Amino acid sequence: QKEVEQNSGPLSVPEGAIASLNCTYSDRGSQSFFWYRQYSGKSPELIMFIYSNGDKEDGRFTAQLNKASQYVSLLIRDSQPSDSATYLCAVVRSNDYKLSFGAGTTVTVRA
Amino acid sequence: DAGVTQSPTHLIKTRGQQVTLRCSPKSGHDTVSWYQQALGQGPQFIFQYYEEEERQRGNFPDRFSGHQFPNYSSELNVNALLLGDSALYLCASSFRQEQFFGPGTRLTVL
Repeated sequence: QKEVEQNSGPLSVPEGAIASLNCTYSDRGSQSFFWYRQYSGKSPELIMFIYSNGDKEDGRFTAQLNKASQYVSLLIRDSQPSDSATYLCAVVRSNDYKLSFGAGTTVTVRA
Repeated sequence: DAGVTQSPTHLIKTRGQQVTLRCSPKSGHDTVSWYQQALGQGPQFIFQYYEEEERQRGNFPDRFSGHQFPNYSSELNVNALLLGDSALYLCASSFRQEQFFGPGTRLTVL
C-alpha cells in the first residue's frame, strides 16, 4: 500500500466551477498535510497546509482533513485557466521530517 | 526576500561521472531537504540536513551524499552516475513544518 494516494486524473473542469481533489494516506499517525501546485516544467509551490481536523480556507482554496478516515482534500472554487497544473498531496508522518508525496492529480480548467 | 535558490539550472553528465548540486535556503530557514522527482511522479525524499548533520535519510544508495554549511546552504553529491539518476532534483528549505522548494536542477545522464 502506498503511503499517499491520489486520483491520477486528469481532472477537467469548466472555468468558474469547483475542482475537487482527493488524497488518502496509510499512516494513521500522520500529523501534517500539505498541498502543492506544480506547473509543467516548474518546481512545486506550497498552496495550503492543514494540521487539524476540519476545513481551512485561503482565498479560493479550501483544505479539508478527516484523520479518522485518513483523508485530505483540496477544493478550488471559481476555477481559472491559471489553475491548470498538477496538484501534489504531501504528508508528514509522526516522528518524521520528510514529506511523503502522492503521484499528483493533473487539473485542466477549460475556458 | 530571496526564496530558495539552486544551481545549476540544468546539467548534462555521462554515466560514471560525479555531480554536485547546490542550494541556498530562504532567509530565516535552517533546514534543507533534498528530493528527486522523476517525470510523472511525486518527489522522493533523499535526505534532510539540520545543524550541519544529516537528520533523516530516504531509500537512496550511498552514492548520494550531502553536506550543510554553517550558513545553512547545502550540497547534494551523486557519485557513479547511472542513467536512472536523470531527474529533477529539488531542494526545500524550512524553519518549521512547511517546506518551500527551489526551482530545481534538471540532471540528464547520458
